[in-house]
Amino acid sequence: EPEVTQTPSHQVTQMGQEVILRCVPISNHLYFYWYRQILGQKVEFLVSFYNNEISEKSEIFDDQFSVERPDGSNFTLKIRSTKLEDSAMYFCASDLQGRAATNEKLFFGSGTQLSVL
Amino acid sequence: KNQVEQSPQSLIILEGKNCTLQCNYTVSPFSNLRWYKQDTGRGPVSLTIMTFSENTKSNGRYTATLDADTKQSSLHITASQLSDSASYICVVSGEPGANNLFFGTGTRLTVIP
Repeated sequence: EPEVTQTPSHQVTQMGQEVILRCVPISNHLYFYWYRQILGQKVEFLVSFYNNEISEKSEIFDDQFSVERPDGSNFTLKIRSTKLEDSAMYFCASDLQGRAATNEKLFFGSGTQLSVL
Repeated sequence: KNQVEQSPQSLIILEGKNCTLQCNYTVSPFSNLRWYKQDTGRGPVSLTIMTFSENTKSNGRYTATLDADTKQSSLHITASQLSDSASYICVVSGEPGANNLFFGTGTRLTVIP
């Protein structure tokens, strides 16, 4: 089965530093998403991206976050100035037709565990 | 308020036994309900997706049921294997939109030999 690939698997950073989390969605997918999961808590939606622009974002996705598709394969999440509470597992996801609320199968990557010290 | 509640929080069963995980939701309007399996340190993997009109769906040893009237779903695992040890997450879709997927906190299943 096709996979969403995320790198790195673990990232440790100092508070206030910038981090970039990388994702390679499934090649023919058009809609991309970032979710996060704080340890022991629910998965939370951050942002969706289609046609080189943000289509939806949650309250969590404030000005310190940004997303980019710098080339034809990568999809990145940048956290400009990390805070302790940004420590979480960040999941990238993609699907073919978008609107993750339909019966479209949503594929998740394995996640990047971000630890902010 | 749109919420998804799962029970039990954790479950330990012997290899070869069956088990049933529960999901109750208050999401409205309702679009579909998904069960995901999440291995430790991995992303969720889709097991089943059910719409309003479907009340049961199987994927190998996994069988999901849905009662849209009572807003309840269950995931039944038959003849459990050690590899079934994972978190099982119920996700309910509301109105169309990526921001309208509501995740439960999951049930942590441990299968022991």
